[in-house]
Amino acid sequence: AQTVTQSQPEMSVQEAETVTLSCTYDTSESNYYLFWYKQPPSRQMILVIRQEAYKQQNATENRFSVNFQKAAKSFSLKISDSQLGDTAMYFCAFAIQGAQKLVFGQGTRLTINP
Amino acid sequence: NAGVMQNPRHLVRRRGQEARLRCSPMKGHSHVYWYRQLPEEGLKFMVYLQKENIIDESGMPKERFSAEFPKEGPSILRIQQVVRGDSAAYFCASSPAWGQGGTEAFFGQGTRLTVV
Repeated sequence: AQTVTQSQPEMSVQEAETVTLSCTYDTSESNYYLFWYKQPPSRQMILVIRQEAYKQQNATENRFSVNFQKAAKSFSLKISDSQLGDTAMYFCAFAIQGAQKLVFGQGTRLTINP
Repeated sequence: NAGVMQNPRHLVRRRGQEARLRCSPMKGHSHVYWYRQLPEEGLKFMVYLQKENIIDESGMPKERFSAEFPKEGPSILRIQQVVRGDSAAYFCASSPAWGQGGTEAFFGQGTRLTVV
């Protein structure tokens, strides 16, 4: 069975700082996808960034980037120049290629302070 | 292109009643997934459906819960004889058919079910 672990229940940083959220996972599969989702107070689940396991290059989306360490089964999210609108729960998720279902971590509550 | 639509947003049921949660996928999406989120927890997969077929129901409780995705109309998650432990946010997600967009799923805003 696949598991996803987020070891930081809560984090808080000042606006404009850089913050890194941790995620580790466990799987025996070799082909899979990793995701970071953002859940603001509205409860909407918003896809932030996605990484295919076969790609060595780390994914980047504007201020969001990942550090994907396949051997260590680690998938951290870095938010640069953090903004007040980044305040939300962040969930790391995993999906086996073709399985079409996501396994989520327990989430990290991120607060950006003015 | 409207996103994934779930209704109602909030649903209150007394113990023993039935709850029906509806999900209309994004236009062009033929795959629907239901997830449950308990307070302060991540989402847990419940069931994966295509039109008129249940593909994977490995996360569904064995009793009282059922799901369908008919040829016409929204997907329905049905919970019979609700109990307090069913109180949670229920999310629906949809994706295109395999081979189009990979495993990226788009989520609705969820239905918060409260059992009193």
